[in-house]
Amino acid sequence: DGGITQSPKYLFRKEGQNVTLSCEQNLNHDAMYWYRQDPGQGLRLIYYSQIVNDFQKGDIAEGYSVSREKKESFPLTVTSAQKNPTAFYLCASSIVLGDTQYFGPGTRLTVL
Amino acid sequence: AQTVTQSQPEMSVQEAETVTLSCTYDTSESDYYLFWYKQPPSRQMILVIRQEAYKQQNATENRFSVNFQKAAKSFSLKISDSQLGDAAMYFCAYPQSGGTSYGKLTFGQGTILTVHP
Repeated sequence: DGGITQSPKYLFRKEGQNVTLSCEQNLNHDAMYWYRQDPGQGLRLIYYSQIVNDFQKGDIAEGYSVSREKKESFPLTVTSAQKNPTAFYLCASSIVLGDTQYFGPGTRLTVL
Repeated sequence: AQTVTQSQPEMSVQEAETVTLSCTYDTSESDYYLFWYKQPPSRQMILVIRQEAYKQQNATENRFSVNFQKAAKSFSLKISDSQLGDAAMYFCAYPQSGGTSYGKLTFGQGTILTVHP
């Protein structure tokens, strides 16, 4: 089955730690995106990647980092510099940048 | 800057009835997409329907249809024969078509839909 997977579903982090959220897709999509959602709000773009080995900052990139070494994978690292990382994180992909985006199931990150 | 506005924080409907969710947007572009996404309690964002601005015909997907008024920049979602599984948060979204965040989806504030049996 084609789709987008995210792991883990729930993640707990102690203050000062870096954590990495996984996003994998087997849809053969070129573009991938990371969004953050806070309670009762819409999504805000963290980073996006148009193609392998390329990525751009979104609206709220501070305290986050990404890599795109493979077409299928777009991991997001939440660093200790992110002051308020507790949120729901959604990964998405599209055939090309700007086309219809399809979302993974999300990862809930909680800072203890 | 593109903005998307959903003026109804909450809506409710009886099972089997019809409900319409409103969305307005602001853009200077002439050709673009518009989307409705559904976010159930599982929190996964699910694509409901897509409208291409150059098409005058309103998009339809089974029980879901849109009323797209390009001049008024209005994009409402109609759900017919509402089912309990339709209960969710619904987001209207517009992809940015230029600038430094090309392709970024701008979301409205969301409308919580409750379906009563």
